[in-house]
Amino acid sequence: GENVEQHPSTLSVQEGDSAVIKCTYSDSASNYFPWYKQELGKRPQLIIDIRSNVGEKKDQRIAVTLNKTAKHFSLHITETQPEDSAVYFCAASGSGGYQKVTFGTGTKLQVIP
Amino acid sequence: NAGVTQTPKFQVLKTGQSMTLQCAQDMNHNSMYWYRQDPGMGLRLIYYSASEGTTDKGEVPNGYNVSRLNKREFSLRLESAAPSQTSVYFCASRRGDLSYEQYFGPGTRLTVT
Repeated sequence: GENVEQHPSTLSVQEGDSAVIKCTYSDSASNYFPWYKQELGKRPQLIIDIRSNVGEKKDQRIAVTLNKTAKHFSLHITETQPEDSAVYFCAASGSGGYQKVTFGTGTKLQVIP
Repeated sequence: NAGVTQTPKFQVLKTGQSMTLQCAQDMNHNSMYWYRQDPGMGLRLIYYSASEGTTDKGEVPNGYNVSRLNKREFSLRLESAAPSQTSVYFCASRRGDLSYEQYFGPGTRLTVT
């Protein structure tokens, strides 16, 4: 089955700096890669996703890049703010929206004011 | 729209007791999922239902059973609870055809003593 590895497990940055979280996956059939943000005590919520026919996607201060050859994808947050502090999860899913979704173990991001 | 709802929010069980966690969605989604979340372990898939009438095992199915009662409802049953099943349980759903985004419920915090 699919295996998703995520690094680092914790990340501290100064407000205004950039943060990068990296994930690798094992199943070359995976073609959907979402990122979720989970604030303390809350449910995970989708912040950005990318499909395998796209190499990069941006949404304001957040971007995701995908390298299918190397089987890795990354989340980039620029101009970090204290409200970006949360746990971030990457995930990978197979073809179609009915497949199971495998999550990474999470990155706890702390933005220091 | 209530989105994805879960009951109960909190539950304490004694070892050996049984219980059913309920999940319902009102978004007409096809796929539904049950995850457990433990510190440092991310979200691990217990069972999922790609569509009404089907269920499949995820990464950690032992000790659990599921029922896809209809398109809206997907329940998770613990037949004989064990302390190792202490966790936060999240239900999720997704449309599966045009949209791959998963929507999560608020979670159930289960403690088994």
